[in-house]
Amino acid sequence: DAKTTQPNSMESNEEEPVHLPCNHSTISGTDYIHWYRQLPSQGPEYVIHGLTSNVNNRMASLAIAEDRKSSTLILHRATLRDAAVYYCILRYSSASKIIFGSGTRLSIRP
Amino acid sequence: GAVVSQHPSRVICKSGTSVKIECRSLDFQATTMFWYRQFPKKSLMLMATSNEGSKATYEQGVEKDKFLINHASLTLSTLTVTSAHPEDSSFYICSASEAGGNTEAFFGQGTRLTVV
Repeated sequence: DAKTTQPNSMESNEEEPVHLPCNHSTISGTDYIHWYRQLPSQGPEYVIHGLTSNVNNRMASLAIAEDRKSSTLILHRATLRDAAVYYCILRYSSASKIIFGSGTRLSIRP
Repeated sequence: GAVVSQHPSRVICKSGTSVKIECRSLDFQATTMFWYRQFPKKSLMLMATSNEGSKATYEQGVEKDKFLINHASLTLSTLTVTSAHPEDSSFYICSASEAGGNTEAFFGQGTRLTVV
């Protein structure tokens, strides 16, 4: 399984944008880039996913590098409820395993 | 969006007893479901892949006789922790995706198992 690398932790201020980076230099052409987040004592929650083009949804934006070896999850205006562990994962199909790395623990300062 | 429901959310059991955790996909059919366990401050560790109508595929190091998985229908998978011991205490999470191409995965809310 292709691996992803993320910073262990990041901090941001409330109401400011947050850019969470992810490196996936061994990504294959058929791997989708998925992002999930996990709040304390809950199961992970889907955030966004994409293949090549940048993606936007109500929760976040996903910026994918042209060579696809890295991506950035963008929270446009962080709130305290966005404090969570964010996982960047590669997946080639809905039947393929989801292997979690260590993720990025995001803290939001009021 | 699609919902995966996991039950119970918390369970306390005595050493030596067995505990069953259910995972249901509420509004879609899940050919494949995944089971994870998570220790405090750690990431999710994949235990096994549950396939409807066939045997589960276990990850290396996971005892299949201890963690029994049954996926009898397209909407239900169960994980039974047999002869539980305190070291089995953990947060167990299931996941499922809709079939047909690349889609997002949905996760249950997790089950906190405490073995005393």
